[in-house]
Amino acid sequence: AQSVAQPEDQVNVAEGNPLTVKCTYSVSGNPYLFWYVQYPNRGLQFLLKYITGDNLVKGSYGFEAEFNKSQTSFHLKKPSALVSDSALYFCAVSGGDDSNYQLIWGAGTKLIIKP
Amino acid sequence: EADIYQTPRYLVIGTGKKITLECSQTMGHDKMYWYQQDPGMELHLIHYSYGVNSTEKGDLSSESTVSRIRTEHFPLTLESARPSHTSQYLCASSDTGIYDGYTFGSGTRLTVV
Repeated sequence: AQSVAQPEDQVNVAEGNPLTVKCTYSVSGNPYLFWYVQYPNRGLQFLLKYITGDNLVKGSYGFEAEFNKSQTSFHLKKPSALVSDSALYFCAVSGGDDSNYQLIWGAGTKLIIKP
Repeated sequence: EADIYQTPRYLVIGTGKKITLECSQTMGHDKMYWYQQDPGMELHLIHYSYGVNSTEKGDLSSESTVSRIRTEHFPLTLESARPSHTSQYLCASSDTGIYDGYTFGSGTRLTVV
């Protein structure tokens, strides 16, 4: 069965420091991986995706993520955090021949950036 | 700029009332989804549709129902609202392939009193 794990409920980072939000996955076949961000009382917004090709993908708002096939991970990163990055972040995966491309979601990680 | 619209954004309603949450998208996507989410918590898939006249229940049992009579419209109905239905409801859509992921509406925050 396909699954996604976000092992940290909350990540605290000081403004200006690098941030990492972790995501690991389990799928049969090739994984398609996504990160979304959710601000309070809003829907989810797409940040970036990995479909194929370069393992380092760049997305919106200066975020990037590194696909690591051997570790089955897709961690979200940013070199220098902003207070405005504080939000809820979701990792999602799709894959497998019978998935019909439906996304499986992680439980979310709350990112808090302190001034 | 949203291409998927949910109305109302906020709704406070009494127990026992019938309500319909609206979701419309202008992208021509075949697939649409309804998620239930408590504040700051994980997403729970409650219904999905892969096209007109196609609806399926999701992973989380829900007393709501959905319909898909037109491609662009995917309303969710609660026949008799209860306080346990208080939550945020998110609608999403996706194209046939996976390359673009999902597009989400802004959500409806429902409070049943």
